Amino acid sequence: QKEVEQDPGPLSVPEGAIVSLNCTYSNSAFQYFMWYRQYSRKGPELLMYTYSSGNKEDGRFTAQVDKSSKYISLFIRDSQPSDSATYLCAMSTGNMLTFGGGTRLMVKP
Amino acid sequence: DADVTQTPRNRITKTGKRIMLECSQTKGHDRMYWYRQDPGLGLRLIYYSFDVKDINKGEISDGYSVSRQAQAKFSLSLESAIPNQTALYFCATSDIGTSGFNEQFFGPGTRLTVL
Repeated sequence: QKEVEQDPGPLSVPEGAIVSLNCTYSNSAFQYFMWYRQYSRKGPELLMYTYSSGNKEDGRFTAQVDKSSKYISLFIRDSQPSDSATYLCAMSTGNMLTFGGGTRLMVKP
Repeated sequence: DADVTQTPRNRITKTGKRIMLECSQTKGHDRMYWYRQDPGLGLRLIYYSFDVKDINKGEISDGYSVSRQAQAKFSLSLESAIPNQTALYFCATSDIGTSGFNEQFFGPGTRLTVL
């Protein structure tokens, strides 16, 4: 079993929909929880990060961490075609990152 | 100009050939990493270096070697390429912040095909 599990998708939604992306993990020592966005033929870019449990909001994006369930989520409100990308969750205890496999999201106009 | 650059961007080679992928950064970060990305497997760490004199193996270092020529340069070598090393390769850099968070900045990637 991998340390971080993520549904690969693809997830196809209409423009304006609310998108929910999720990861589960097994290592209770993880303290930092990140979401990276990767456009086609590009390197991943950090979208948001959260320390420990709780929610964090940044514009249309909300990250949630539930450490008791070992479950993290990224919500995208009012999704746009420009949000079409692969979303990678990543976790760490401070230095090294462990990535999920990524979920490919397609937002159709 | 890009902060993290990788060369080449695409490479096709044959089994048994020696290949070097290069990474340069202008971010002034001490820490550099090499990852490979395969469909559905996310990014897996090959090697990492926390400063010029520090080299560490990652999760999947077999068949690879690295060289940290300077703070800004970190090269990945495949001594004798094999087809299952066909993948996307990413270089990343980081500098630990005051909060302890390790944000990594990625290069654009090298698409390597081994025939």
